[in-house]
Amino acid sequence: ETGVTQTPRHLVMGMTNKKSLKCEQHLGHNAMYWYKQSAKKPLELMFVYNFKEQTENNSVPSRFSPECPNSSHLFLHLHTLQPEDSALYLCASSLYNEQFFGPGTRLTVL
Amino acid sequence: AQSVAQPEDQVNVAEGNPLTVKCTYSVSGNPYLFWYVQYPNRGLQFLLKYITGDNLVKGSYGFEAEFNKSQTSFHLKKPSALVSDSALYFCAVREWGSQGNLIFGKGTKLSVKP
Repeated sequence: ETGVTQTPRHLVMGMTNKKSLKCEQHLGHNAMYWYKQSAKKPLELMFVYNFKEQTENNSVPSRFSPECPNSSHLFLHLHTLQPEDSALYLCASSLYNEQFFGPGTRLTVL
Repeated sequence: AQSVAQPEDQVNVAEGNPLTVKCTYSVSGNPYLFWYVQYPNRGLQFLLKYITGDNLVKGSYGFEAEFNKSQTSFHLKKPSALVSDSALYFCAVREWGSQGNLIFGKGTKLSVKP
């Protein structure tokens, strides 16, 4: 275990649904990240938060909406997703250098 | 721009033999280099890092990596492979002193056969 937890582990949703992914860390880290991992594609950085402030948004469609209420929690709100959004969504946190990853949420959009 | 390349999609090794997973990088300054491993249906696990100092870095599970500045490489090695080492391995780079984020390679699938 890395100390980063993600819920749910698996999620199936229709294109009209609204759902949220949750990430939590109690490692005292000050940065948190959302990544998308699709089959046969490199890991894609989606969002970065430092001390609760969003510092990076890598041209992610607006149907993905992040929220960071405090340094320990990170959410990814999903609405009107497309089938191509099906992927493993990974959360990570860091303090100085290396990032620590959660187990991921396997998302399937029907 | 920073980048990292893992030239092999897959590496096949017999159990007990040494293994090498290759990684080359490109940064404008001094690099921070990392290796991660991902087992099926799991997140990435940190294996080791190079920041500064000794070019040979030792990490978890008997893995080590050698930083070679002239060849801009950071290959992952293990003297004797185990079947349980079979997984997806990612190399990542960050520019030294920057607030920048990690840039990951596309991953190399390691398969260790008994």
